Amino acid sequence: GQQLNQSPQSMFIQEGEDVSMNCTSSSIFNTWLWYKQEPGEGPVLLIALYKAGELTSNGRLTAQFGITRKDSFLNISASIPSDVGIYFCAGQETSGSRLTFGEGTQLTVNP
Amino acid sequence: NAGVTQTPKFQVLKTGQSMTLQCAQDMNHNSMYWYRQDPGMGLRLIYYSASEGTTDKGEVPNGYNVSRLNKREFSLRLESAAPSQTSVYFCASSIYRGLSYEQYFGPGTRLTVT
Repeated sequence: GQQLNQSPQSMFIQEGEDVSMNCTSSSIFNTWLWYKQEPGEGPVLLIALYKAGELTSNGRLTAQFGITRKDSFLNISASIPSDVGIYFCAGQETSGSRLTFGEGTQLTVNP
Repeated sequence: NAGVTQTPKFQVLKTGQSMTLQCAQDMNHNSMYWYRQDPGMGLRLIYYSASEGTTDKGEVPNGYNVSRLNKREFSLRLESAAPSQTSVYFCASSIYRGLSYEQYFGPGTRLTVT
């Protein structure tokens, strides 16, 4: 089946720093989604990307749909302590509604 | 608007016991999903229901059964629980936005099988 490689697995940063994480796939996706999961909660949708090359922002978060349709990137600018959590990428195949999830990036922000 | 709700939030079972995890959504979504989340393994799809009256296996269906009771409700049943089923279970529902299905998740059920 589809495989998503998400990196890095974990990040430890200082408040105010910028963060970058990415996902790569062995196959083409037609949609990329980015989720954030806080401790004890379910994942919450942050950004959805629908077209190759698309760049979309949500506050301090910016995500891009790679030109090859096999990768996506999430950047967080000027990190704050409430950015702590696990960030997941998810991709949708060209048909059907099933998503494939990456393994997540655990983000820790030190005040 | 509660979104996706799950019950119970926590459950401890002994090996061989059975139980049903409940999920309901009030967003009028057609599709619903059950995932399990294990440390370092992301989210793995157990079963999904593309629409009322249909269910399909996902990546890890063994040991589980599902019922799409109506458009709102999708339950997951463990007939004979095993320690390997200790996990956090998430229900999700999705809406089609013309290009893609965006999934929205419930708060999860934390299950321990001893």
